[in-house]
Amino acid sequence: DGGITQSPKYLFRKEGQNVTLSCEQNLNHDAMYWYRQDPGQGLRLIYYSQIVNDFQKGDIAEGYSVSREKKESFPLTVTSAQKNPTAFYLCASSNSYEQYFGPGTRLTVT
Amino acid sequence: EDQVTQSPEALRLQEGESSSLNCSYTVSGLRGLFWYRQDPGKGPEFLFTLYSAGEEKEKERLKATLTKKESFLHITAPKPEDSATYLCAVQERGSQGNLIFGKGTKLSVKP
Repeated sequence: DGGITQSPKYLFRKEGQNVTLSCEQNLNHDAMYWYRQDPGQGLRLIYYSQIVNDFQKGDIAEGYSVSREKKESFPLTVTSAQKNPTAFYLCASSNSYEQYFGPGTRLTVT
Repeated sequence: EDQVTQSPEALRLQEGESSSLNCSYTVSGLRGLFWYRQDPGKGPEFLFTLYSAGEEKEKERLKATLTKKESFLHITAPKPEDSATYLCAVQERGSQGNLIFGKGTKLSVKP
């Protein structure tokens, strides 16, 4: 089955801790993206990567970091510098125009 | 200022009652417009891509159309299983594939 997996589905952390969200795809897509979704708001782009070992900041990159060491993987780290980290995080991949999304990780920071 | 605006925010229909969702955009050059369906707690599911004014795409009870300033998602004789949030996104010409999303329309279809 080809697709995008995100783990874990739910994640709980204490304030001040860094946390890494996993995103893996077996679609052989070159581009990968991270979005954040908050109630009543559209999806907002955090980081994206068009190719291995290269990535760019999106609209709301502050307090986040990423790496792209393998084509299949694009992990997102939410650092303690992110002021409002509680949200639903979505990973996507694309090989042309359409982006295909994973199931999401709901992060709660208290 | 929002570049992608969806209306209405919420829509409640009776089963079989056809209606349309609107997505208006103000980007300078459109590379593509995308419709997604999102169920609660899940990732968006791709539905359609539209590239040029006048284009139409259909899938079961859904039909998407595109003009120079907006897109409509027509739902014909909806069923309760069509209940979801429908997201619209645009890709600007010259962008690196990034999508600009609207806030979505939450559709509820009652039996």
